[in-house]
Amino acid sequence: AQSVTQLGSHVSVSEGALVLLRCNYSSSVPPYLFWYVQYPNQGLQLLLKYTSAATLVKGINDFEAEFKKSETSFHLTKPSAHMSDAAEYFCAVSDFSGGYNKLIFGAGTRLAVHP
Amino acid sequence: DVKVTQSSRYLVKRTGEKVFLECVQDMDHENMFWYRQDPGLGLRLIYFSYDVKMKEKGDIPEGYSVSREKKERFSLILESASTNQTSMYLCASSSVQQGVYQETQYFGPGTRLLVL
Repeated sequence: AQSVTQLGSHVSVSEGALVLLRCNYSSSVPPYLFWYVQYPNQGLQLLLKYTSAATLVKGINDFEAEFKKSETSFHLTKPSAHMSDAAEYFCAVSDFSGGYNKLIFGAGTRLAVHP
Repeated sequence: DVKVTQSSRYLVKRTGEKVFLECVQDMDHENMFWYRQDPGLGLRLIYFSYDVKMKEKGDIPEGYSVSREKKERFSLILESASTNQTSMYLCASSSVQQGVYQETQYFGPGTRLLVL
């Protein structure tokens, strides 16, 4: 069965610094991978998704993620953090076990950005 | 823009009460989902539906039921609320037209339920 591990439940960076949020997956089939963001008191919204077209995926707000099959990773990066990036980030993988397409989410990483 | 709305942002109920959480989407999506979100556990799937009057159990269905009488509406029911059901509940929808495995799920703002 598919699973997702997000390393680090809390990450803190300075404004302007590189953001790196880690995600490793376990999948017996070629995976479809997603990053979602949840701003305070809101639902989740899609940042980006990997669907095998290109290993480097660009998303909204200058976020990007690189699919590395050899490392079973899909880490999320942003070159320069803004205060507005403070949120919780979830990595997810498509799961087709049972005959229906579902998402399996990681536990989430809360990003804090300080001046 | 896809819009997913949930009937309440905050809800306080007593143990043993029957609780209804409503979700409505306006984009004619076939698929709808109910998750609960707890700190350190991420999102866990409770139930989902791929068509009207159709439902499938997710990973944690115990203590919950669902209803989908119309395509746009998906209800989560707590038959007899318990304190361990205090949580954030998120509804989502998606369309199969995006392609299998690639479907983006669109989320509502969530309902924070407190069971006393």
